[in-house]
Amino acid sequence: SQELEQSPQSLIVQEGKNLTINCTSSKTLYGLYWYKQKYGEGLIFLMMLQKGGEEKSHEKITAKLDEKKQQSSLHITASQPSHAGIYLCGVNYGGSQGNLIFGKGTKLSVKP
Amino acid sequence: EPEVTQTPSHQVTQMGQEVILRCVPISNHLYFYWYRQILGQKVEFLVSFYNNEISEKSEIFDDQFSVERPDGSNFTLKIRSTKLEDSAMYFCASRGTGLREAFFGQGTRLTVV
Repeated sequence: SQELEQSPQSLIVQEGKNLTINCTSSKTLYGLYWYKQKYGEGLIFLMMLQKGGEEKSHEKITAKLDEKKQQSSLHITASQPSHAGIYLCGVNYGGSQGNLIFGKGTKLSVKP
Repeated sequence: EPEVTQTPSHQVTQMGQEVILRCVPISNHLYFYWYRQILGQKVEFLVSFYNNEISEKSEIFDDQFSVERPDGSNFTLKIRSTKLEDSAMYFCASRGTGLREAFFGQGTRLTVV
């Protein structure tokens, strides 16, 4: 089984709707990072969560970390076409060098 | 805003040839990484580099691969004898001190024919 599961795999929402993407780890994590990737492009850093219960926001995107469940949720409020892309969660499993294990990603499409 | 830059953006090479992928990390960063993403698959860690040496590497990073920081600004990934399965997007990333976020380049799409 995968160390890191993201759900859903893909999501199509109407512009203006809210949505949530989840990332669950099967092992203890030491830091969770959300990135966004447009097809064929690099990863854009969104947010980093390190402590249980931590919640961060960036524009209309909010992410929370539930340390007990080893899970993070990413919530987008009032989605816009510019939010479309692939959302990746990456986890540091305690490696001192900070290398990340990534999930398979959630592909988000926003219909105008 | 500082960014990680990678060249070339796309490289096509014949099987068995050597390729060098180049990266210029953000200037005051200390940790450097290579990741790859085969089309339609996950982003996978290859290697991390700190203090002028490899600090961690994955199973993917076998003897075909090597990394180098030849001067104060460039960070390179060399694949000695490319195979068809090396075709992927290769991302360079760099990070400052502490467990802060890593910043990724736009990637080099490597196609082995």
